[in-house]
Formats: sequence, C-alpha cells, structure tokens
Amino acid sequence: GIQVEQSPPDLILQEGANSTLRCNFSDSVNNLQWFHQNPWGQLINLFYIPSGTKQNGRLSATTVATERYSLLYISSSQTTDSGVYFCAVGSNYQLIWGAGTKLIIKP
Amino acid sequence: ETGVTQSPTHLIKTRGQQVTLRCSSQSGHNTVSWYQQALGQGPQFIFQYYREEENGRGNFPPRFSGLQFPNYSSELNVNALELDDSALYLCASSLGRTTEAFFGQGTRLTVV
Repeated sequence: GIQVEQSPPDLILQEGANSTLRCNFSDSVNNLQWFHQNPWGQLINLFYIPSGTKQNGRLSATTVATERYSLLYISSSQTTDSGVYFCAVGSNYQLIWGAGTKLIIKP
Repeated sequence: ETGVTQSPTHLIKTRGQQVTLRCSSQSGHNTVSWYQQALGQGPQFIFQYYREEENGRGNFPPRFSGLQFPNYSSELNVNALELDDSALYLCASSLGRTTEAFFGQGTRLTVV
C-alpha cells in the first residue's frame, strides 16, 4: 500500500519564525489534504491540494504530484499555530495518513 | 450550512461491552468515513459508506460494523470491546468517495 512520510516529526520555533513541513508519498494519489489537529482532537482542514499551489493567509502549500511530495509553509508563526499537522493522501476511497509533525511555537 | 457532528464526545465502557457512536454528515454530503486514532498516531481507516452501502473497509475485525441512513448520517458499532479499542474515533463526510473530507470533533472512547 501507499506509504506517507512526514518530516520533521517535531519542530520547536519562536513566535514569528517561518517553517516548512514536508510530506512524501510512495505512489500516485487522487487526493491530498493537510490538516491541523488541535489539542482537543479536532482536525481542521487547511488545504485540499492534489497538485499545484494554494495560499490562505499565512499558510501556503505546494504539491508536486509527479515527484510525490507536498510542502506546507507557515509564515510568521503564532502560538495558536501549535499542534500536530497531518498530511493525508487519498487512495481509492480512503485517506492514508502520515505520522504527523508536532509543532510547538514558543512566545 | 452545518458541519460534521459526532456524539457522544466522550465515553467510558467496560471490556466486553458494546458501543454505538453517531455521526451527522455535513449538509449535502453523501459519503461518510470512519477512522480510529490511537494516542500519538495518525488516524487509521475503518470503513466508508456511500449512499447507504459499505464502500470499502480497512484492516479492522468484523466486530466493527456500521450503518448509513437515508439522510446520510451514520453509526459505528463496536462489539466485544477490548482495551486496545480505546482511541479517538473520527467521522468524516464528503461529497463523493474521493473528494475533500471534513471531520467531526471526534468521540474519545475509553475501555476499562
């Protein structure tokens, strides 16, 4: 089956810093989503991005489907950005998830 | 437009008991998927329902079963609960089987 790897596993930054999270996947996919999971477990949709580039405020994402990776950029980090960021890729009817990147933003 | 809602939010059950978790899909969505997330891990796919039919299933035993109703809401039933079933159970709805999924807040199940 498809393997999804996220890096780095943990990231600690000062408020105001920029960061790049990476998601590699092992086969062609028909769907790729980035999520932010808050401390209460709620998964918040960030991007639906099977290919191309999208931006939403301080966040942007790029997926290069032919090279099987996606990047999530967070600029000018805020403490509220803390949490776990998941990449999930679609294979047929299911989402296959990476292990996540745990991001801690220090004030 | 209402989002995906799950009930209950927390639940404590005893090993061997049965549990039913509920999910109301987002307005206009006809597909519901269920995921199990153990502490510190990514979610694992349990199964998907599309127009009231099971559309696909992950690597979970038959004691995990589900239903989807005509209004596209869904239930997840787990029989003969085991301690390892303790997890966050997440429901996602989508318009179609492979499109963008939106998640509820989850049900945290503890089996003691």
